[in-house]
Formats: sequence, structure tokens, C-alpha cells
Amino acid sequence: NAGVTQTPKFRVLKTGQSMTLLCAQDMNHEYMYWYRQDPGMGLRLIHYSVGEGTTAKGEVPDGYNVSRLKKQNFLLGLESAAPSQTSVYFCASSTGLAGFVTQYFGPGTRLTVL
Amino acid sequence: AQSVTQLGSHVSVSEGALVLLRCNYSSSVPPYLFWYVQYPNQGLQLLLKYTTGATLVKGINGFEAEFKKSETSFHLTKPSAHMSDAAEYFCAIGGTSYGKLTFGQGTILTVHP
Repeated sequence: NAGVTQTPKFRVLKTGQSMTLLCAQDMNHEYMYWYRQDPGMGLRLIHYSVGEGTTAKGEVPDGYNVSRLKKQNFLLGLESAAPSQTSVYFCASSTGLAGFVTQYFGPGTRLTVL
Repeated sequence: AQSVTQLGSHVSVSEGALVLLRCNYSSSVPPYLFWYVQYPNQGLQLLLKYTTGATLVKGINGFEAEFKKSETSFHLTKPSAHMSDAAEYFCAIGGTSYGKLTFGQGTILTVHP
């Protein structure tokens, strides 16, 4: 099993450009999450999904959109990138809500917005 | 609301020495507590978690943590550090009906020969 995979691993954008980050999991998990990691701030939840076709806002959702059209995939979109979105993005999946069960993380996407 | 505070953003130990990473929490409900580890250029993986029951929790790679309600703490320890333990460690709290997981700021552990 590959677990949780993320595409791409690195990306550099110019301000105003758009992009989509792809997360895929092969563990048949219902729950999927997108976090951003910034130095000294731990991980902060952007959006999450409790099942195919559902999405919900997390702690820092502004400037991002998500879609969960297939159970195994969770897409994170940036419509108009800003330098403040320079960060490392992690996707995670789990069998239940994050506050109760183990989360399985992908390797991350390092995004730089110039 | 829940929160965790990790005391010390950087901890440095010698190989073979005791590792102690501190985490204090605040919660209005019985908490679920987690320690995750992030090795360089990798995603996070679970070290151990406390839900209910036994307050001393053993995890992978020789780590353990003790839930102390009276001290609102969940410190992570390992008797003897190994070079491969060098990583960033995150304490996290959950257990509310919202199902949210809140992470601490992280502690970078350096192990020197």
C-alpha cells in the first residue's frame, strides 16, 4: 500500500496564479484533511471531508477551495495565490474524526508564492 | 476550547541521554492526547496516543508518555536517545464532540554524539 500520496512535491507560483494540489489515499478512509504547516505554528486545518461529496471549513479556509469527488482523492485549490500562502501543505486521512483516531499523513507539498 | 503548549521549541541532548519533551494541555472535557513525530522532509506519523484507561502510554521506538490530570501534562520521554530520534515532535489534543485535533507548536529534538 502506498498510504497517502501528494502531488506535486514542490511548486513555485507567482502571485495571482492558480493551482491544485492532489491527495490520494488507498486505505479506504472516509475522512480526509488538508493542513498547512508554518514555522513555530504547528499544523493548522484548512478544510476537511467526512466522506465522498462532502467538505467543511477548518481553522484557516480563506483563499482555498476543496473537492472530494471520489472517496480516495481530496483536492486543494488555490484560485489566486498570495505570498501568505507560502507554506508546506499536508494531506491526512483517517477512519474517524481527527480528534479521536490516528491520522495518516502524506509527505507534503512545499509551495512558494513569489 | 482546547489547547496544548509545548515548552521549548528546541531541545538538544547527547546520544544515550534521557529525552524529555514537555506538553501541557487545557481542555474542558476529558482529552484525547497524541504525540506525532516528523522526520526531516517527511509527513507526520503517530508515536503514541492516550484516550482513556492506563495513564502511562507506550509508543513506537521506545517512547512513552504519562497522562497527569492533576498537572494537565502529557510529557514525552525516552530513556536513551539515539541519533535517529532527531526530528520535530508535535503534541496534539482532541476528544471534543467536534472531533477537531489541535496541534502544539512543535519541538525540534537534536541528538549529538
